[in-house]
Amino acid sequence: GAGVSQSPSNKVTEKGKDVELRCDPISGHTALYWYRQSLGQGLEFLIYFQGNSAPDKSGLPSDRFSAERTGGSVSTLTIQRTQQEDSAVYLCASSTGTGDLKLFFGSGTQLSVL
Amino acid sequence: QKEVEQNSGPLSVPEGAIASLNCTYSDRGSQSFFWYRQYSGKSPELIMSIYSNGDKEDGRFTAQLNKASQYVSLLIRDSQPSDSATYLCASSGAGSYQLTFGKGTKLSVIP
Repeated sequence: GAGVSQSPSNKVTEKGKDVELRCDPISGHTALYWYRQSLGQGLEFLIYFQGNSAPDKSGLPSDRFSAERTGGSVSTLTIQRTQQEDSAVYLCASSTGTGDLKLFFGSGTQLSVL
Repeated sequence: QKEVEQNSGPLSVPEGAIASLNCTYSDRGSQSFFWYRQYSGKSPELIMSIYSNGDKEDGRFTAQLNKASQYVSLLIRDSQPSDSATYLCASSGAGSYQLTFGKGTKLSVIP
């Protein structure tokens, strides 16, 4: 596609439920990132995928968070047993690959946990 | 802990003036620096990258880097109301694929 596509754009869920957030990167981009942005806060790195290499999961805040990337393209971020502190905008970004840090961001998923 | 610090603002400038946005970083090994613009309710958009000491100009934007002082700045000439946004500074170390972002400076250009 022309840009990074994320879905859903908004997600309201109840505490304790699981949610899945989807990201479709720019075609041909091998690097994919997930960031989280809370109100008034900077972007918090969550996870990085590069091609078929093992992902860097060092930014995931707890074991309730997981992500996968199928076929080197679409990625899904899963949050299990959501908590109110998980409420944030989840941003996906992609770049052309290793060494290229010019990230192109999707429009994000606004997650609200009630 | 690698940190990128920015004045949260808001920074208000009149239309047509020069807006100056500043950023400092703690990791002396940082090699790559980026400025992103984020309109309210939108996602960040890359506007400038800089890797070497000195100035880099692109249209009305000039990025300045001083590695010795560990600061990066962004100048916006002839500021327009459409420049009103939050500007995020980001840095990365040599060989790293992770960007560390500041919390951003909110710029308001007054017509």
